[in-house]
Amino acid sequence: KAGVTQTPRYLIKTRGQQVTLSCSPISGHRSVSWYQQTPGQGLQFLFEYFSETQRNKGNFPGRFSGRQFSNSRSEMNVSTLELGDSALYLCASSLLTSGEGIRTDTQYFGPGTRLTVL
Amino acid sequence: KQEVTQIPAALSVPEGENLVLNCSFTDSAIYNLQWFRQDPGKGLTSLLLIQSSQREQTSGRLNASLDKSSGRSTLYIAASQPGDSATYLCAVRGVGGGFKTIFGAGTRLFVKA
Repeated sequence: KAGVTQTPRYLIKTRGQQVTLSCSPISGHRSVSWYQQTPGQGLQFLFEYFSETQRNKGNFPGRFSGRQFSNSRSEMNVSTLELGDSALYLCASSLLTSGEGIRTDTQYFGPGTRLTVL
Repeated sequence: KQEVTQIPAALSVPEGENLVLNCSFTDSAIYNLQWFRQDPGKGLTSLLLIQSSQREQTSGRLNASLDKSSGRSTLYIAASQPGDSATYLCAVRGVGGGFKTIFGAGTRLFVKA
C-alpha cells in the first residue's frame, strides 16, 4: 500500500507570494491533517479535514487555508508569504470510522514539503 | 488547553543500554497517544499507538505505557542500537471535543557505538 505523498518536496518563494502544497493520503484514509514544523516552535497543528469538511483549525492566521477533495486529497495554501513561514510542512492521514462510534487510528505522515521564504 | 512535555530534551547513551523516554500531558481527556520517530530532515514514522482505554503497547524492542489519570506516558527502548538515534516525539490526540493532535518538543536520542 502506498504511503502518504506530498508535492512538491522543496519550494523556494519570496515574501508576498502565495504557495499551494498538495497531500495524497493513503488509499482509504479519509482524514488528513496538516502540521508546520520549525526549529523554534516544533510541530504545530494547522488543520484537519474529514470527508471534505474542516473539523479543526489550529492557531494560525487566515493566510493559511486548506481544502479536501472528494478523493480525500488535500491542499493547503499560504498567501502573502512571510519569512517566518519558512518551515517543513507535514501532512498526515488516518482512517476514521463512524457508525458505531468514532474510532481514531494511527496517523501516517508524509515526507513533508520544505518551504523556504526569501 | 492541552500541553505536552517531553523529558529529557536530549539523551546520549552507550549501545546496549535500556532507556526510558517520558511524556506528560495536562488534559486527560484524550482519544489516544502516539509515539513517533523522526530522522533529521525527514517525516515522522509511527512507532506505537495507545488508545485511551489501553495501558500499554509493545512492538519489538519498544514498549509504551499510558497512565491517563496521572497524564503520563513512557517509551521504553530495550538494548539500544546506534540505528535508534533519532528524535522521538509524543503526540496526544483529541482535545476539547475535536481531533487536534498536540505534539511534545521531542527527545533527541544519540546511541553511541
